[in-house]
Amino acid sequence: GQQVMQIPQYQHVQEGEDFTTYCNSSTTLSNIQWYKQRPGGHPVFLIQLVKSGEVKKQKRLTFQFGEAKKNSSLHITATQTTDVGTYFCAGAGGAGNMLTFGGGTRLMVKP
Amino acid sequence: NAGVTQTPKFRVLKTGQSMTLLCAQDMNHEYMYWYRQDPGMGLRLIHYSVGEGTTAKGEVPDGYNVSRLKKQNFLLGLESAAPSQTSVYFCASSRTSGRTDTQYFGPGTRLTVL
Repeated sequence: GQQVMQIPQYQHVQEGEDFTTYCNSSTTLSNIQWYKQRPGGHPVFLIQLVKSGEVKKQKRLTFQFGEAKKNSSLHITATQTTDVGTYFCAGAGGAGNMLTFGGGTRLMVKP
Repeated sequence: NAGVTQTPKFRVLKTGQSMTLLCAQDMNHEYMYWYRQDPGMGLRLIHYSVGEGTTAKGEVPDGYNVSRLKKQNFLLGLESAAPSQTSVYFCASSRTSGRTDTQYFGPGTRLTVL
């Protein structure tokens, strides 16, 4: 079945440093979504990418969807302590109503 | 609006016991989902429903049953709990298919099976 892998699993950064998490799928995706989960909280939707090569920005967050629609990335510029949490990508490929979630990247920010 | 709510928040079971987790949403969403979250494994779909009276299997359905008798409620049952079912369970809902629509998650239920 479809597999979605995320790297790294953990990342410690100093406040102000940049951060990137990468998402790779074993199959071509029709679209990809990104969610953020704060410690002890629940996943919250951030964004959806649909088009090949698409780039979207939300303030300091930049999301990219690969040209082959098999990978995606989330880049955070100048991290802040409020960015702490786990970031998940979730891809949809083939038929059906399911999203397949990656394992997540846990971001820790040292003030 | 409360959004998506889950009860209970925490539960400890002994092996072989049964229980039901309740999910309720007040957004009139058609689609509802049950996920489990284990460390390093992200969220895995257990069962989902595309409307009242319908259910379908997800990625890891074994050992679980579900029912959607009312549009706003989605119940997850464990008939005979096993330690491997120790996890955090999240319910989610979406207006249309979660493949392409935003999923709204509940606060989660932390279940421990001894």
